[in-house]
Amino acid sequence: EIVLTQSPGTLSLSPGERATLSCRASQSVSSYLAWYQQRAGQAPRLLMYGASTRATGIPDRFSGSGSGTDFTLTISRLEPEDFAVYYCQHYGGSPEWTFGQGTKVEIK
Amino acid sequence: QVLLQESGPGLVRPSETLSLTCSVSGGSISNYYWTWIRQPAGKGLEWIGRVSASGNFNYNPSLESRLTMSVDTSKNQFSLKLTSVTAADTAVYYCGRGGIYFSHWGPGALVTVSS
Repeated sequence: EIVLTQSPGTLSLSPGERATLSCRASQSVSSYLAWYQQRAGQAPRLLMYGASTRATGIPDRFSGSGSGTDFTLTISRLEPEDFAVYYCQHYGGSPEWTFGQGTKVEIK
Repeated sequence: QVLLQESGPGLVRPSETLSLTCSVSGGSISNYYWTWIRQPAGKGLEWIGRVSASGNFNYNPSLESRLTMSVDTSKNQFSLKLTSVTAADTAVYYCGRGGIYFSHWGPGALVTVSS
């Protein structure tokens, strides 16, 4: 099983600031990594797949990078609706997909 | 616009079978994989498994012995059955479209395992 470790656990920032979230895989997943946003009380929403491709309707302040074992999700300027929990998920190798434990982006 | 909706009992007794159905509207269930994911309260996401419209499936190894997924193309629905449930199976269960990453999600169904 591939383990995904996200850091930090919590990120305290102000609207307008830049957020940088990290996801590290226990072994290479190539670029088979997705990111999701989960607002309180809602289902997750796909943000990114293929490590760096934005999903339909996702604003361009969201960007993803990385390959192999180290990945980053960047939110260039935080909007009020961006304060949420973010999860990474791999889909490399055999179908036994796992998620990271999440990073909460909270208002400072 | 593709919409998914989970349905099923919100309370299941320990040792019994949890059954959920996901209804898909706004698009055909054919030509896609369909997925179940769960989330215990205050915790992270766990991939349960996926099933294709043609009936191919892959399950989380930790749940495989208790799990059955199926598809009913005539009703545009897919289903989950998890046997011998315990309190550890209490969670919000989400259905989703996609077999590798998940572009569409249902709102989630809370299932509590309790006597």
